[in-house]
Amino acid sequence: GENVEQHPSTLSVQEGDSAVIKCTYSDSASNYFPWYKQELGKRPQLIIDIRSNVGEKKDQRIAVTLNKTAKHFSLHITETQPEDSAVYFCAASRGTSYGKLTFGQGTILTVHP
Amino acid sequence: DTGVSQDPRHKITKRGQNVTFRCDPISEHNRLYWYRQTLGQGPEFLTYFQNEAQLEKSRLLSDRFSAERPKGSFSTLEIQRTEQGDSAMYLCASSLAWPRTEAFFGQGTRLTVV
Repeated sequence: GENVEQHPSTLSVQEGDSAVIKCTYSDSASNYFPWYKQELGKRPQLIIDIRSNVGEKKDQRIAVTLNKTAKHFSLHITETQPEDSAVYFCAASRGTSYGKLTFGQGTILTVHP
Repeated sequence: DTGVSQDPRHKITKRGQNVTFRCDPISEHNRLYWYRQTLGQGPEFLTYFQNEAQLEKSRLLSDRFSAERPKGSFSTLEIQRTEQGDSAMYLCASSLAWPRTEAFFGQGTRLTVV
């Protein structure tokens, strides 16, 4: 089955800096790669996703890049703010279901004011 | 709130007891998923339904676990003869099959087995 590895497990940055979280996946048939943000005690919420026919996608301060050949994808957050502090999960999916996901282990992002 | 809702939010049970959780998906969503999340880990897929049909079950779903979605709307997840290792957050998510949408998660049911 699919295996998703996520690094780093913790990331601490100063407000205004950029943050990068990286994930690798094992199943070359995976075709959908979402990123979820989970604040303490709250539900995971999708912040950005990318499909395998696209190499990069941006949404304001957030971007995701995908390298299918190397089987890795990354989340980039620019101009970080304290409210970006949360746990971020990458995930991968194959086939027609965007909800059957294999998640990475998560990255605890702390943005210091 | 028109999102995915789960009930109860918290459940404490004694080892060996049975527990049942409920998930109400977003109303037009025909796919429903159950995940388990332990502290410090990402959610792990357990099972999913399209309408009332259970299409896939993870190997994580032992025979003590059963899930149903009898009318293709809400779903229940039952754990029989609970064990301490069952303590976790149980998350439900829903999505549309077509056009395909991302999965929207509920806030989860936190189970503690004592």
